[in-house]
Amino acid sequence: DTGVSQDPRHKITKRGQNVTFRCDPISEHNRLYWYRQTLGQGPEFLTYFQNEAQLEKSRLLSDRFSAERPKGSFSTLEIQRTEQGDSAMYLCASSSQDRPYGYTFGSGTRLTVV
Amino acid sequence: DQQVKQNSPSLSVQEGRISILNCDYTNSMFDYFLWYKKYPAEGPTFLISISSIKDKNEDGRFTVFLNKSAKHLSLHIVPSQPGDSAVYFCAASSFGTSYGKLTFGQGTILTVHP
Repeated sequence: DTGVSQDPRHKITKRGQNVTFRCDPISEHNRLYWYRQTLGQGPEFLTYFQNEAQLEKSRLLSDRFSAERPKGSFSTLEIQRTEQGDSAMYLCASSSQDRPYGYTFGSGTRLTVV
Repeated sequence: DQQVKQNSPSLSVQEGRISILNCDYTNSMFDYFLWYKKYPAEGPTFLISISSIKDKNEDGRFTVFLNKSAKHLSLHIVPSQPGDSAVYFCAASSFGTSYGKLTFGQGTILTVHP
């Protein structure tokens, strides 16, 4: 297992376009998290899944954001009608239920909205 | 509202000396605390953690101290090495709610000079 993979590593998009990011967690981890990090700040929680169920969403996750985890494996995060304020690093992490804080983070997807 | 704060954006230390990174929190519901280290272009990696039932946890060169009355924790690195140069984030969570969700501080950039 090569850890948590995120794709793409970088994405530049024009304002108003839709973007989708993918996260492949560690295969035996049933929990998957999305965080967002802007310059000079720590990661901010967006949402998390236990298996395929989305158990919590932050109020940061506006209606333009949607996340899915079909079949409890990989996850996608979609941002519709992107805005310049969406520019950030989007981090995915996974953990197991018996070690919920034993996060393994991916390297992130850096989104730039121009 | 910033529930976890790292008030020092940066810290510079000589190799072999002690590095002390500080973190304050405001939410009294937090009962589990962690430190993560982040290198450029990588996701954060777990370093050390402490439960609120303890006031100290040690792992090799790394020791975390927790002062619950002051809502303050610190990470001590002794001796500091150039490879420790990275961004350090403290994070907090609550077993009772949002199980597994982390609230991060803004980070402190540690530079260890040879």
